[in-house]
Amino acid sequence: DAGVTQSPTHLIKTRGQHVTLRCSPISGHKSVSWYQQVLGQGPQFIFQYYEKEERGRGNFPDRFSARQFPNYSSELNVNALLLGDSALYLCASSRLAGVGNEQFFGPGTRLTVL
Amino acid sequence: AQKITQTQPGMFVQEKEAVTLDCTYDTSDQSYGLFWYKQPSSGEMIFLIYQGSYDEQNATEGRYSLNFQKARKSANLVISASQLGDSAMYFCAMRDLNSGNTPLVFGKGTRLSVIA
Repeated sequence: DAGVTQSPTHLIKTRGQHVTLRCSPISGHKSVSWYQQVLGQGPQFIFQYYEKEERGRGNFPDRFSARQFPNYSSELNVNALLLGDSALYLCASSRLAGVGNEQFFGPGTRLTVL
Repeated sequence: AQKITQTQPGMFVQEKEAVTLDCTYDTSDQSYGLFWYKQPSSGEMIFLIYQGSYDEQNATEGRYSLNFQKARKSANLVISASQLGDSAMYFCAMRDLNSGNTPLVFGKGTRLSVIA
């Protein structure tokens, strides 16, 4: 079975632009979570979606938004990009949204904001 | 709030030797899970091992074992017989198991370098 896939792998944007990152979960997984990992830090939770509904949100500004589609794939959108948004964005999928469910991560999208 | 502390920014180990990566955590939850992930330079987070707070035995997965000391709130990862391919960033993480939809909370990581 294919693992979690993310696109694009790399992206370069300028300040003020908008970006959309995409994630396809493992087949059969209904929950997708997004994490931001800036250089030298561990990943920070942004969003979790389950069955197309937002189930959790981290401490990120409203410029960050996401959605999940009927096929359980997900998009992360970031508006009005800032230099500080440069990071590796990781998507993780799990079978359920409930406790103790192991999360499988994708390879990430490296976003550079100039 | 949950917090993970990894005090070793970098570690070196000789090939075929064992190495311990430290992790301490802070939580007021009674039921929680502890995880270790490996992140090679490619960026993907690879799940290594899991320990539940109520598990009485330390978790083991092949060459990986988790030295869980609940009273000291530590969850150190032990890698036996290190290989060159073990060179990577290693992250300790935890999540609350009492309620649904809780995200993983990660530490800052430890960079492990295996020397031939």
